[in-house]
Amino acid sequence: AQRVTQPEKLLSVFKGAPVELKCNYSYSGSPELFWYVQYSRQRLQLLLRHISRESIKGFTADLNKGETSFHLKKPFAQEEDSAMYYCASRGGNTPLVFGKGTRLSVIA
Amino acid sequence: GAGVSQSPRYKVAKRGQDVALRCDPISGHVSLFWYQQALGQGPEFLTYFQNEAQLDKSGLPSDRFFAERPEGSVSTLKIQRTQQEDSAVYLCASSKLGTTQETQYFGPGTRLLVL
Repeated sequence: AQRVTQPEKLLSVFKGAPVELKCNYSYSGSPELFWYVQYSRQRLQLLLRHISRESIKGFTADLNKGETSFHLKKPFAQEEDSAMYYCASRGGNTPLVFGKGTRLSVIA
Repeated sequence: GAGVSQSPRYKVAKRGQDVALRCDPISGHVSLFWYQQALGQGPEFLTYFQNEAQLDKSGLPSDRFFAERPEGSVSTLKIQRTQQEDSAVYLCASSKLGTTQETQYFGPGTRLLVL
């Protein structure tokens, strides 16, 4: 079965510091990887997906098949980045599998 | 335009009661998904509809859980004889096309508390 692991429940960084949210997946094939974000009092929304290879709100994520990782990175954290971040994977036609989430707190 | 809406937003039920949770997807969206999110966990897939057809219900935890989408639009998730372990946020999501590869747009969720 697919599994997504986010080892950190809480990550606190200072404003302007780099941030990296870790995500590891288990899937033997070629999965689709996603990062979803939930800001306070808002609904879950897609932040980025690996096939788009895009940068959203300064965040990027690179799929590393050797390490089965899809870490989310931003060089300079902003206070408005404080939110709950979920990594998710999908293989073939299988449903989305989410990690348990990491709460990012950016301290001014 | 309007996003995915869910009602009620909060529901308190006594153990053993039946509950019905409603999801209004984005107009015209073909696919509809239900997820269960327990406290401190990520969302977990329950079931998936393409129009009115329920194509995958592998995530429904027991036969007390039942979902329908009779006209291919609004969907209802029904939980019979609720148990305390059913307490969770129930999320609905929809996507435009009839594939699981499309971006899913989530509703605000229904928070169910079973006492």
